[in-house]
Amino acid sequence: QVQLQESGPGLAKPSETLSLTCTVSGGSMRSFYWSWLRLPPGKGLEWIGYIYYSGGPYYNPALKGRVTISVDTSKNQFSLNLKSVTAADTAMYYCARGPKDIAGWFDPWGQGTLVTVSS
Amino acid sequence: DIQMTQSPSSLSASVGDRVSITCRASQSISTYVNWYQQKTGKDPKLLIFGASSLQSGVPSRFSGSGSGTDFTLTINSLQPEDFASYFCQQSYAKPYTFGQGTKVEVK
Repeated sequence: QVQLQESGPGLAKPSETLSLTCTVSGGSMRSFYWSWLRLPPGKGLEWIGYIYYSGGPYYNPALKGRVTISVDTSKNQFSLNLKSVTAADTAMYYCARGPKDIAGWFDPWGQGTLVTVSS
Repeated sequence: DIQMTQSPSSLSASVGDRVSITCRASQSISTYVNWYQQKTGKDPKLLIFGASSLQSGVPSRFSGSGSGTDFTLTINSLQPEDFASYFCQQSYAKPYTFGQGTKVEVK
């Protein structure tokens, strides 16, 4: 079955750009949306945005201007760039397939990668 | 943004108990609610989509109900593997938003 795995640095410095990659295995990226989400410590999940397999991202307005999501179907990967990070961007970052169908669910998810923003 | 208020934030229960978790949306969202389970250190798992449809492979002791603004996830006869965190998600409107989560702990 489809599995997702996040990768990237676990530490970012304030004002720098956070870059993560999600590798999709066990299936094709075609015909699906692919999302990034994050869970800050002590807070609820936040959806960052999605990209369709052929392009066309949509970003959460709360992060718009700082976030870029891209896709490379030849590598079965999609990526997140978040610029000008602050301590508030410290979180567990997840990639997931979705939103799926009219019900808009996310499944499956990666196991997540912890990113700490600190100097 | 649509706010999802989930309660309780935590609860203690015993194996065999019936457990209910609720989510209230800040506006009517029809049945555009999904529920997930997350165990410590693991990826979230989809349990229920469209408020009441059971995801394939999920045990039938899990059920979802509600429409409009009030939604409930019920676990009938809690099993040892059900001690985990649960959270709701609305997909009525972007940006998709989530409840704060409920941790189900051993009493």
